[in-house]
Amino acid sequence: KNEVEQSPQNLTAQEGEFITINCSYSVGISALHWLQQHPGGGIVSLFMLSSGKKKHGRLIATINIQEKHSSLHITASHPRDSAVYICAAYNTDKLIFGTGTRLQVFP
Amino acid sequence: DGGITQSPKYLFRKEGQNVTLSCEQNLNHDAMYWYRQDPGQGLRLIYYSQIVNDFQKGDIAEGYSVSREKKESFPLTVTSAQKNPTAFYLCASSMGGMRQGVHEQYFGPGTRLTVT
Repeated sequence: KNEVEQSPQNLTAQEGEFITINCSYSVGISALHWLQQHPGGGIVSLFMLSSGKKKHGRLIATINIQEKHSSLHITASHPRDSAVYICAAYNTDKLIFGTGTRLQVFP
Repeated sequence: DGGITQSPKYLFRKEGQNVTLSCEQNLNHDAMYWYRQDPGQGLRLIYYSQIVNDFQKGDIAEGYSVSREKKESFPLTVTSAQKNPTAFYLCASSMGGMRQGVHEQYFGPGTRLTVT
């Protein structure tokens, strides 16, 4: 079992839908990182959080330390949101990555 | 613009040849990292460096080598000893190293290496 698990692995949505991607981890962490990887391969940092909730535009990330769970929400999804979303947990001295959730948003 | 550059974007080599992947950053970050990404797997750490002239092995260092002679540069050499070198390689940097607290990592665009 991976130390960082994401669900679902694949997700399709119609433009405008509300999207939720989940991340669960089994190790102690000091923070969690949400990343976005576009088809070309480059990775962009979306959020880094250690408690509560963060919002940036249409993106919202939440984390529940007691339940070892984080969610990434996308409101009013758009085709340009199509990408792979990766969560990564900061554990002691390294990042442990999930395998990613592939999101496709259709017009 | 500050950022991380990796070159080339695509690289093809014959089996048995060493190949060096470039990573440069102008963010004035102390720490730099090399990751490998394979289909269906999370990123895995190859090597990291927290300061110039110092680096540590990550989880999958066998068959790879690095150097950190300048703060801005952290090249990765994939040697002929690496059994399955074909992969997507990502370089990242952060203000401080992992042992110095939590620092957001910034990623380069990646190099896709194909060895035949």
